Amino acid sequence: DSGVTQTPKHLITATGQRVTLRCSPRSGDLSVYWYQQSLDQGLQFLIQYYNGEERAKGNILERFSAQQFPDLHSELNLSSLELGDSALYFCASSGGTPNTEAFFGQGTRLTVV
Amino acid sequence: GENVEQHPSTLSVQEGDSAVIKCTYSDSASNYFPWYKQELGKGPQLIIDIRSNVGEKKDQRIAVTLNKTAKHFSLHITETQPEDSAVYFCAAPLPRGYSTLTFGKGTMLLVSP
Repeated sequence: DSGVTQTPKHLITATGQRVTLRCSPRSGDLSVYWYQQSLDQGLQFLIQYYNGEERAKGNILERFSAQQFPDLHSELNLSSLELGDSALYFCASSGGTPNTEAFFGQGTRLTVV
Repeated sequence: GENVEQHPSTLSVQEGDSAVIKCTYSDSASNYFPWYKQELGKGPQLIIDIRSNVGEKKDQRIAVTLNKTAKHFSLHITETQPEDSAVYFCAAPLPRGYSTLTFGKGTMLLVSP
């Protein structure tokens, strides 16, 4: 158990809908990272938050947004969903300093039908 | 940004054989190179990492080597066992001192009994 909790584990929704994925980082970790994993693209970095502030941005679509709350949990909001958004979404956490291990949650499997 | 290339995409070996996975990176300032193992239905988990002040690091049956001049690093697994079957990812930090990791596309390792 990595200590990172993601909910829900599975989500099935229709095209055009909006969903929210939730992540609770390990105790004491200030940084949260969101990754998208699809079969042909590996682990794609979406966005990082550190202590409530956006720290780094990757290939995150404009339809997607995230935030980190004062209690350090984070939410990833996906809107106007398309079939191609079906993927595993992982949250990871770390202390936020460079060159340190990131701990991954079990992921949320999103299926858009 | 940092670009990490990983090869091969799939690797099949017999139990007891060695397995080698190779990665190259583009940012010469990178100085932290972790390897993650992802088992079916789980999130990636760190198995070994290396920092640029060393050329090789071992932990029982796994080792990582780093060649900073050529900008590549490799994962070596000796005496492979069926439980080593998983997807392995190499990673490197985003440039400019970020704690965010960018990942290779992964190698699916299959160890046959």
